[in-house]
Amino acid sequence: RKEVEQDPGPFNVPEGATVAFNCTYSNSASQSFFWYRQDCRKEPKLLMSVYSSGNEDGRFTAQLNRASQYISLLIRDSKLSDSATYLCVVNKGGGYQKVTFGTGTKLQVIP
Amino acid sequence: DAGITQSPRHKVTETGTPVTLRCHQTENHRYMYWYRQDPGHGLRLIHYSYGVKDTDKGEVSDGYSVSRSKTEDFLLTLESATSSQTSVYFCAISDGGANQPQHFGDGTRLSIL
Repeated sequence: RKEVEQDPGPFNVPEGATVAFNCTYSNSASQSFFWYRQDCRKEPKLLMSVYSSGNEDGRFTAQLNRASQYISLLIRDSKLSDSATYLCVVNKGGGYQKVTFGTGTKLQVIP
Repeated sequence: DAGITQSPRHKVTETGTPVTLRCHQTENHRYMYWYRQDPGHGLRLIHYSYGVKDTDKGEVSDGYSVSRSKTEDFLLTLESATSSQTSVYFCAISDGGANQPQHFGDGTRLSIL
């Protein structure tokens, strides 16, 4: 089993739709979690951290389910500019912030 | 955006030649990382640094070496480049702690012919 797994997609959704991605992780001792977005041929950029209690930033909501070992990202009212690849990142801890990146879920928002 | 500059941004070279990529930060962050990104593999850690002259290997370190003589600079060297090292290389920084995210430079596209 991979340490971090994501559905590669693509998820093709119309503008205004709500879309959700999940990311599963295998190490139950994982300490922190993040979502990044990566545009084509660009660097990954931090979208949001994922807190145990769940957190929201505008149209984006991130949640953590430790019991089932997954995190989720919900995007409401999708915009064309949301089209990107979304990377799930899990920090295993262990002193020097060793993180594992998922391979990403591609989102295409269609007019 | 975090102050991270990678150079060069693009490079084409031949098998067997040495290559050095540079990462420069202006954030005074303690931790610096080199990753490579290839289709189907996501980002994979090559080497990282937790201070000046303090470095350690990541999961794909074979064929790569690093040096950090100043807080702001982290160099990645391919001693004798091979075609399998054709990739996009990203530098990242963080100020440490389990809850601190990493921030990435723009990347270097390296092609080895």
